[in-house]
Amino acid sequence: AQSVAQPEDQVNVAEGNPLTVKCTYSVSGNPYLFWYVQYPNRGLQFLLKYITGDNLVKGSYGFEAEFNKSQTSFHLKKPSALVSDSALYFCAVRDKAAGNKLTFGGGTRVLVKP
Amino acid sequence: GAVVSQHPSWVICKSGTSVKIECRSLDFQATTMFWYRQFPKQSLMLMATSNEGSKATYEQGVEKDKFLINHASLTLSTLTVTSAHPEDSSFYICSAGTDSIREFFGPGTRLTVL
Repeated sequence: AQSVAQPEDQVNVAEGNPLTVKCTYSVSGNPYLFWYVQYPNRGLQFLLKYITGDNLVKGSYGFEAEFNKSQTSFHLKKPSALVSDSALYFCAVRDKAAGNKLTFGGGTRVLVKP
Repeated sequence: GAVVSQHPSWVICKSGTSVKIECRSLDFQATTMFWYRQFPKQSLMLMATSNEGSKATYEQGVEKDKFLINHASLTLSTLTVTSAHPEDSSFYICSAGTDSIREFFGPGTRLTVL
């Protein structure tokens, strides 16, 4: 069965500093990996995805993520965090071999302090 | 493009009543729609997958007679919570997909059962 782990419940970072949100995954086949952001009482907003190709994926709002097959990781990064980046971030994986369902990590709350 | 709406955005009902939540893809035809449930400060849990014109596929532990899903057209799916009880209070999020890779999420519906 596929699974996603986000080891940090919360990440605190000062505005202007680099932001990293960690994600590791486990699948039986080739993974499709996603990052979503959720603001309070709102649905999920898509940030970026990895399907195939270049391991470094660039997404919305200045975010990027690096697919590392050997470490089965897909960490989300932003070089310079903004206060408005404070939200709940979800990593997700889709594995065609597992019925094509989207499985989410537990979420990481990011707090960017001014 | 790829906008998904949900209605209502929030609903309060008495215990024992039924509540219907609509999920619409506004500018595309969705071959598959998904229903998720999110408890406070927790991740999204897939409840069921529905394909237009066919019965929904429920995840293990989700009562199909409790959570009725209808996917009558390529742009509309409904979730009916029958005989709702306080433990059904949650944030319900739908998503819609056109292929096996990407899902587009609705803004969510907060259900509170008194």
